[in-house]
Amino acid sequence: EIVLTQSPGTLSLSPGERATLSCRASESPTSSYLAWYQQKPGQAPRLLIYGASSRATGIPDRFSGSGSGTDFTLTISRLEPEDFAVYYCQQYNWSPPRYTFGQGTNLEIK
Amino acid sequence: EVQLVESGGGLVQPGGSLRLSCAASGFTFSSSWMHWVRQAPGKGLVWVSCINTDGSTINYADSVKGRFTISRDNAKNTLYLQMNSLRVDDTAVYYCVSDGSHGEFDSWGQGTLVAVSS
Repeated sequence: EIVLTQSPGTLSLSPGERATLSCRASESPTSSYLAWYQQKPGQAPRLLIYGASSRATGIPDRFSGSGSGTDFTLTISRLEPEDFAVYYCQQYNWSPPRYTFGQGTNLEIK
Repeated sequence: EVQLVESGGGLVQPGGSLRLSCAASGFTFSSSWMHWVRQAPGKGLVWVSCINTDGSTINYADSVKGRFTISRDNAKNTLYLQMNSLRVDDTAVYYCVSDGSHGEFDSWGQGTLVAVSS
């Protein structure tokens, strides 16, 4: 079973600071099929990044994704108040199709 | 605008059944793989099942295989999840989700809560 491990579990930062969130896979996703989501309390998740580094429609350019192989990073260049939320990474592997989420990183206001 | 609206959740006893529905609009439903993803209270996200465009390819998470059945009606733009033999650990918000181009979950419904309890 593929496991995604996100770190840190909780990240405490202030608005204006840079956030770096990590996602490590136990094996490489198919063709870097790695995505990131943002979830606020009481809301459904929202897709931020797909294919490890492509921003989804309407996502501000302060959000960026990078990485390959088994190590991936979500970077928020300058935190806005609305960015404080839980972030999940997710990978896809074919044969058989399996979709796995990390356990989440809680980005909280310091 | 893509809209996915789930319905059918509620309180059910262990061993019982529920059928979730998801009404889709704002995109070409018949051309999109679809998924169900769930989230237990206070926990993370877990993929449950997916179905291809014509229903000929279906996959399940091991935890629901043999108990849940995903299906779709492209004429009605609706996705379904038949849940049988429900267990307490099936308690979660169930999200209907459209498939993206790189294995990602593109658009999400608002979710419907399924509570399994005696």
